[in-house]
Amino acid sequence: EAQVTQNPRYLITVTGKKLTVTCSQNMNHEYMSWYRQDPGLGLRQIYYSMNVEVTDKGDVPEGYKVSRKEKRNFPLILESPSPNQTSLYFCASSRLQQETQYFGPGTRLLVL
Amino acid sequence: GENVEQHPSTLSVQEGDSAVIKCTYSDSASNYFPWYKQELGKGPQLIIDIRSNVGEKKDQRIAVTLNKTAKHFSLHITETQPEDSAVYFCAAPVRGSTLGRLYFGRGTQLTVWP
Repeated sequence: EAQVTQNPRYLITVTGKKLTVTCSQNMNHEYMSWYRQDPGLGLRQIYYSMNVEVTDKGDVPEGYKVSRKEKRNFPLILESPSPNQTSLYFCASSRLQQETQYFGPGTRLLVL
Repeated sequence: GENVEQHPSTLSVQEGDSAVIKCTYSDSASNYFPWYKQELGKGPQLIIDIRSNVGEKKDQRIAVTLNKTAKHFSLHITETQPEDSAVYFCAAPVRGSTLGRLYFGRGTQLTVWP
């Protein structure tokens, strides 16, 4: 089954404790992206990757890092989480930027 | 202003009525306009998209219309059903440092009352 998986699905952490949210897709897609969803603000892109070892900032990259060492995986790293990073995070993948994006189920993060 | 503006933010309709959600975009060179549906507790899922070489596209009860001159596109849902209740997002490409990256609207919460 074609899918995008994210882990963990739910996470409660404290300010400053480094965390990683994993994302994996099995569709051999080149384009992958991370979004955060906040009430009233819709989906805002954090980082995206056009291919292995090619990443770039989206609209709200501050406080986040990503890496793309393999085509299927695109982890999101929060080196020092802060309460304003409390949000719902989605990973997505597609063959090209302007084709159907397949979203993961989301990761709900609470930073205390 | 925003790259993609979406209206309304909330929409309530009676079952069987039609629903229309509209988005405007800023980049006249944009050529790809998808609509996503997000059900409660799930990730967004593409329901329909349109490219700039056509003015309208239909898929059963769902249609998207595009007006390139006015730079807006709309989602039309006819004969609405309770299962159409969800958040709907439009998106459009935005030029910038990387050509073609999609920018999402803020979403419309559609509620269909039985």
